[in-house]
Amino acid sequence: AQRVTQPEKLLSVFKGAPVELKCNYSYSGSPELFWYVQYSRQRLQLLLRHISRESIKGFTADLNKGETSFHLKKPFAQEEDSAMYYCALKGSQGNLIFGKGTKLSVKP
Amino acid sequence: IAGITQAPTSQILAAGRRMTLRCTQDMRHNAMYWYRQDLGLGLRLIHYSNTAGTTGKGEVPDGYSVSRANTDDFPLTLASAVPSQTSVYFCASSETGGRTEAFFGQGTRLTVV
Repeated sequence: AQRVTQPEKLLSVFKGAPVELKCNYSYSGSPELFWYVQYSRQRLQLLLRHISRESIKGFTADLNKGETSFHLKKPFAQEEDSAMYYCALKGSQGNLIFGKGTKLSVKP
Repeated sequence: IAGITQAPTSQILAAGRRMTLRCTQDMRHNAMYWYRQDLGLGLRLIHYSNTAGTTGKGEVPDGYSVSRANTDDFPLTLASAVPSQTSVYFCASSETGGRTEAFFGQGTRLTVV
């Protein structure tokens, strides 16, 4: 089965605190994983893809095949990071399979 | 401006009415997708098309139909709307090779009453 699990519906942290948004996946083969972000009432935007191993807006994510995880991390959260975050897996049909999303709230 | 455009941005629709949500992209992407976004359920795939002339069913296709007459357009039709189809609908497109990240439209907020 191809599945993405984001166990936290809501994550609330204070500004400057570290953030980790969890993502686990189920996929037979080599997965292609993404993190998308959706700011309030806006379209989804690509934040990270694991292939590029880049850091965007201070966020990083490492693919751990042993734990089938692709957690999103940021050492110091900012208020502007408040948004919905979706982990996604490229499915066998080429479409993206999304987790249910985690709402990140960064308090001042 | 290159990108993907959806219309309308929002709509209130009477149950039983027919409605077509429009989606157009100018990036010459082969693949296009329709998702619905519901609170607590994330984004679920309704239908997809990997190339012009072909379509496929996603996770929640019932009550929806699509067509892909050309590369740029991928309309989604609700033949007879029901209240459970109240949702935010996102169209997306991507290349089928190389960089496969998906680009999303701004969404259509549909309310069926």
